[in-house]
Amino acid sequence: NAGVIQTPRHKVTGKGQEATLWCEPISGHSAVFWYRQTIVQGLEFLTYFRNQAPIDDSGMPKERFSAQMPNQSHSTLKIQSTQPQDSAVYLCASSLVGNQNTLYFGAGTRLSVL
Amino acid sequence: GQGVEQPAKLMSVEGTFARVNCTYSTSGFNGLSWYQQREGQAPVFLSYVVLDGLKDSGHFSTFLSRSNGYSYLLLTELQIKDSASYLCAVRDRGTGGYKVVFGSGTRLLVSP
Repeated sequence: NAGVIQTPRHKVTGKGQEATLWCEPISGHSAVFWYRQTIVQGLEFLTYFRNQAPIDDSGMPKERFSAQMPNQSHSTLKIQSTQPQDSAVYLCASSLVGNQNTLYFGAGTRLSVL
Repeated sequence: GQGVEQPAKLMSVEGTFARVNCTYSTSGFNGLSWYQQREGQAPVFLSYVVLDGLKDSGHFSTFLSRSNGYSYLLLTELQIKDSASYLCAVRDRGTGGYKVVFGSGTRLLVSP
């Protein structure tokens, strides 16, 4: 079991460019969560999917952020027109649907917007 | 409103203990978990509680009081390697189901 896989590990974009972050959950895990972590804000909830369906995106900044889960083996987080304040570590986590109190995190993608 | 609060820092001494506090307010509580996060690494699950009382798991123990919206993680016989951030996470009712909301974490420093 390779765990949750996130790619790329690091991404540098210029202001106004688009960034797409990828997550491959643990096989058999049907709940997928996206978080953003900064020193100032800590670990912020963005959105989550259950059985590929979007359940709660209340943490997603409107307009520029979107997330999809086209199949059970991967999810993407897309940020359009990136801004310096989007710089953070983006963490993906997965869990069994019946055990969402135990999340397994990927190593994260560090996004730097110049 | 909804939220999970933790003190930012905590210091303790090797061989003693440390208690990491967490307070929360939720729309619909459905469990609380603790995670350890080392510098530059992802959070790692430690423990989960949903019923009131103390859950003793050896080096890590957890306490929960649902009526007070309060939990703590107790680390005993501290080692230097226990220096890390400890995150409290609450499963709370969201718009379409239960989402998991984290506190900002408590950075524990264990000194010799």
